Amino acid sequence: AQKVTQAQTEISVVEKEDVTLDCVYETRDTTYYLFWYKQPPSGELVFLIRRNSFDEQNEISGRYSWNFQKSTSSFNFTITASQVVDSAVYFCALSDGTGSARQLTFGSGTQLTVLP
Amino acid sequence: GAVVSQHPSWVICKSGTSVKIECRSLDFQATTMFWYRQFPKQSLMLMATSNEGSKATYEQGVEKDKFLINHASLTLSTLTVTSAHPEDSSFYICSASGGTYNEQFFGPGTRLTVL
Repeated sequence: AQKVTQAQTEISVVEKEDVTLDCVYETRDTTYYLFWYKQPPSGELVFLIRRNSFDEQNEISGRYSWNFQKSTSSFNFTITASQVVDSAVYFCALSDGTGSARQLTFGSGTQLTVLP
Repeated sequence: GAVVSQHPSWVICKSGTSVKIECRSLDFQATTMFWYRQFPKQSLMLMATSNEGSKATYEQGVEKDKFLINHASLTLSTLTVTSAHPEDSSFYICSASGGTYNEQFFGPGTRLTVL
């Protein structure tokens, strides 16, 4: 069975601080995909990144960066110089690598509040 | 990128009535669609998976007679909440995958309030 754990329920930071959102996953599959989504107050899920299990290179996109470590089954997300607009719920998700349509297992989400 | 729409974006109905929510893939053929439910301050919970032209597969604990899913075409799936009650009030999100896309693309969600 697959499982995604986001231990941080809520995080509050002051604007311009860096913040890291933790994600730990469990799977028996050797091929799998990891995702991060942002859900602002409007409710619509915004796709941020997808990473497959064979690519452990860290990725940076603007103020966002992701640290994938298979040894610890973690896929952490860091926002550098946070802004008020970053305030949202962030979900980490996991899917297996088989089949034509992969089911997603979501973590419980982390509510990030960035204060001005 | 792939675009998925949902209609309506919000709906308020009286207890006992039925509500239909549409999910459309606008620029690709969705062989598989997923329906999720999200209660306030909670994560997305998968309700069912539907493949075009066949019956939906429901997750454990989801009443298939209450949440009717129809995936009659490659661009449209509908979720009908029958005899809705206040406890069915939730945020319903669909996603779609298919064609060259194996991953899911999410609709904007439908907020259902049952009075």
